[in-house]
Amino acid sequence: DIQLTQSPSFLSASVGDRVTITCRASQGISSYLAWYQQKPGKAPKLLIYAASTLQSGVPSRFSGSGSGTEFTLTISSLQPEDFATYYCQQLNGYPLTFGGGTKVEIK
Amino acid sequence: QVQLQESGPGLVMPSETLSLTCTVSGGSIISYYWSWIRQPPGKGLEWIGYISDSAVTYYNPSLKSRVTISVDTSKNQFSLKLSSVTAADTAVYYCARVARGPPVFDYWGQGTLVTVSS
Repeated sequence: DIQLTQSPSFLSASVGDRVTITCRASQGISSYLAWYQQKPGKAPKLLIYAASTLQSGVPSRFSGSGSGTEFTLTISSLQPEDFATYYCQQLNGYPLTFGGGTKVEIK
Repeated sequence: QVQLQESGPGLVMPSETLSLTCTVSGGSIISYYWSWIRQPPGKGLEWIGYISDSAVTYYNPSLKSRVTISVDTSKNQFSLKLSSVTAADTAVYYCARVARGPPVFDYWGQGTLVTVSS
């Protein structure tokens, strides 16, 4: 199985901050990576796929980059509604796997 | 707007079979793959498997011996059966649509908590 390691697992930030979350894959997965946002008690929401393609309707302050084994999700200016847990998911091999999550909390 | 809704018992006895159904509305089940994903309380996401409208399936090997996913296109529904459950199967179970192209999940149900306990 392809393992995904997210860092940090928790971060505290303020509204307006630039936030970066990293996802590392245990083997190369080209650009086959997606990012999701999950708020408490809600289903995950697709933000980005193919490492850097923004899903329709997702604000442009979200961006993704990377290929191979290292990927990043960046929120350029953190908004109150962005406080949530973020997960990466690899699409390159089966079984499909997710990272352990990064919880973004208000400082 | 596609909507998915999980239904089924919220409590299952150990060693029995967990059964859930996902009803798709606002769109057809045809021409897509459909998936089940679960999340133990306070933990991360685990992909269970998926099924096509023509009943082609792919399961997570870690669960394969206990999982069956089926589809009923006439009802716009697909279902999950997980046998021989233990407390470790306690989780929120989500159904989701697999987008065309790379297998990402673009529409999700709200999730249903299934507790395994006697």
